[in-house]
Amino acid sequence: AQSVTQLDSHVSVSEGTPVLLRCNYSSSYSPSLFWYVQHPNKGLQLLLKYTSAATLVKGINGFEAEFKKSETSFHLTKPSAHMSDAAEYFCVVSATGNQFYFGTGTSLTVIP
Amino acid sequence: DADVTQTPRNRITKTGKRIMLECSQTKGHDRMYWYRQDPGLGLRLIYYSFDVKDINKGEISDGYSVSRQAQAKFSLSLESAIPNQTALYFCATSEYPSGESYNEQFFGPGTRLTVL
Repeated sequence: AQSVTQLDSHVSVSEGTPVLLRCNYSSSYSPSLFWYVQHPNKGLQLLLKYTSAATLVKGINGFEAEFKKSETSFHLTKPSAHMSDAAEYFCVVSATGNQFYFGTGTSLTVIP
Repeated sequence: DADVTQTPRNRITKTGKRIMLECSQTKGHDRMYWYRQDPGLGLRLIYYSFDVKDINKGEISDGYSVSRQAQAKFSLSLESAIPNQTALYFCATSEYPSGESYNEQFFGPGTRLTVL
């Protein structure tokens, strides 16, 4: 069985401060993990993905995530938030490449 | 031009009507998916197809049907629409997994469906 839990439904940060969006996963197999971003009234865009090559994954727009097998976590971070980062973020797991399981999303607000 | 397109982008319909949402892709991917997005629930899989002759039910297929007309086209139908099918619908594509890498999905812009 596979599932994803995004631990915060809403996160609010001030512009220029660090961002942390938390994701825990459950998978019977070694998973691939993804983070997607959805800006208002837009489709989903891939931020980054983990596919067992390296545990620290760098993505677009300064985001990165670290795969921690012992903690079954794949948290998304960014050192300094920008106003344009305000969006909905989804953590996704796939253990077989056949189906993808989405978390319920984290809404990020950036305060000027 | 966008790689994954969806038509219509917005649709308002009435309870009991039949409606079809269409998805086309130019990425050459074999795998296509339909999801619905509801606030606070993330994306949930309705149907997926790994090639023209392979159709599979997802988590929430009741009340929906699909047709894979060609490698590039995957349509979602609501035979008799009901208000709780009001949602944002996304089509996605992906490549066949290679080695240990499960390739990411590419999403269309979404169709906002309202059933009155």
